[in-house]
Amino acid sequence: KAGVTQTPRYLIKTRGQQVTLSCSPISGHRSVSWYQQTPGQGLQFLFEYFSETQRNKGNFPGRFSGRQFSNSRSEMNVSTLELGDSALYLCASSLAGGYVYEQYFGPGTRLTVT
Amino acid sequence: DQQVKQNSPSLSVQEGRISILNCDYTNSMFDYFLWYKKYPAEGPTFLISISSIKDKNEDGRFTVFLNKSAKHLSLHIVPSQPGDSAVYFCAARDAGGTSYGKLTFGQGTILTVHP
Repeated sequence: KAGVTQTPRYLIKTRGQQVTLSCSPISGHRSVSWYQQTPGQGLQFLFEYFSETQRNKGNFPGRFSGRQFSNSRSEMNVSTLELGDSALYLCASSLAGGYVYEQYFGPGTRLTVT
Repeated sequence: DQQVKQNSPSLSVQEGRISILNCDYTNSMFDYFLWYKKYPAEGPTFLISISSIKDKNEDGRFTVFLNKSAKHLSLHIVPSQPGDSAVYFCAARDAGGTSYGKLTFGQGTILTVHP
């Protein structure tokens, strides 16, 4: 079974621009969660989608948004990029949202904002 | 407000010895705890988990201990191997209200196992 895939793997953007990251979950997994990883902060939860609906949301500004499609693929969008948005963005999939026993992570997208 | 804390940013251990990684939490609504391992340029991979109704779970060289009264969990790796060198994250699942199912991660501990 193919693992979680994320595209692109690396991205360089300029302050003020917007960016869209993509995540394809493991086949059959209906829940997709997004995390931001920065040095010293660990993994900060952004949001979780299940069956195209946002189920949980972390404490991030409205510039961060996401969506999930009917095939469970998910996208994350960040508008008006700031330097502090530079981070590794990870998505994780699991069989069912709300009953997470383990999540399977993708390799991440490394976003650099200059 | 950091609900899950890993107070040791790094840990260095000799091959063959025990590695003990610690994690503290504050939210009494956490009902399930997980440990993940992360190598550079890869996403975290699930290692071992424990339900809040247990105090110990073992899987090969890995054992997780949970002390609910102290809101503390630890991961023991015995014996430690150089291939265990990675960043270890503990995570806790929220069983409360609108946050049900949400995972909260600690900051991570870098484990280095020296040959």
